[in-house]
Amino acid sequence: KAGVTQTPRYLIKTRGQQVTLSCSPISGHRSVSWYQQTPGQGLQFLFEYFSETQRNKGNFPGRFSGRQFSNSRSEMNVSTLELGDSALYLCASSLGTTLTDTQYFGPGTRLTVL
Amino acid sequence: DQQVKQNSPSLSVQEGRISILNCDYTNSMFDYFLWYKKYPAEGPTFLISISSIKDKNEDGRFTVFLNKSAKHLSLHIVPSQPGDSAVYFCAASAGGTSYGKLTFGQGTILTVHP
Repeated sequence: KAGVTQTPRYLIKTRGQQVTLSCSPISGHRSVSWYQQTPGQGLQFLFEYFSETQRNKGNFPGRFSGRQFSNSRSEMNVSTLELGDSALYLCASSLGTTLTDTQYFGPGTRLTVL
Repeated sequence: DQQVKQNSPSLSVQEGRISILNCDYTNSMFDYFLWYKKYPAEGPTFLISISSIKDKNEDGRFTVFLNKSAKHLSLHIVPSQPGDSAVYFCAASAGGTSYGKLTFGQGTILTVHP
């Protein structure tokens, strides 16, 4: 079974630009979550989607948004990029939304903002 | 405010010995805890979890201990193997049942020497 895939794997943008990251979950998984990993803040929760509905949102500014499509694929968008948005963005999928549904992570998208 | 702390940034052990990774938390509402392992260029992988109604959970070479009064949990790996060398994250959930409520520690780099 194919794992969680994220595209692109690496991205370089400049301040003020916007970026869209994509996540394809494991086949059959309906829940997708996004995390930001930085050296200073560690892993921080961004969003959780299930069946195209956002169930939870972390403490991030409105510049960070996301969505989930009917095939469970998900995208996240960051507008007006700032230097501090440089991070590894991780996507994870699970069958359902409860903590007992094992969450599988993708390899991440490394975003660098110059 | 770091609600979940892994105070040891790194740990080095000899192959065959025990590895003990520690995690402290401040939020008494946390009632579910997870450990993840992360290799370079890969996303985190779920290892083991524990509910606050238990004080110990075992899965093969991995055992997690929870001391609620001390707000402390630890992951024991016995025996340690070179393939266990990775970054280990603990995570905690506060009263919710979904992954959206997870708070992560900063991670501990474990190096197992042959």
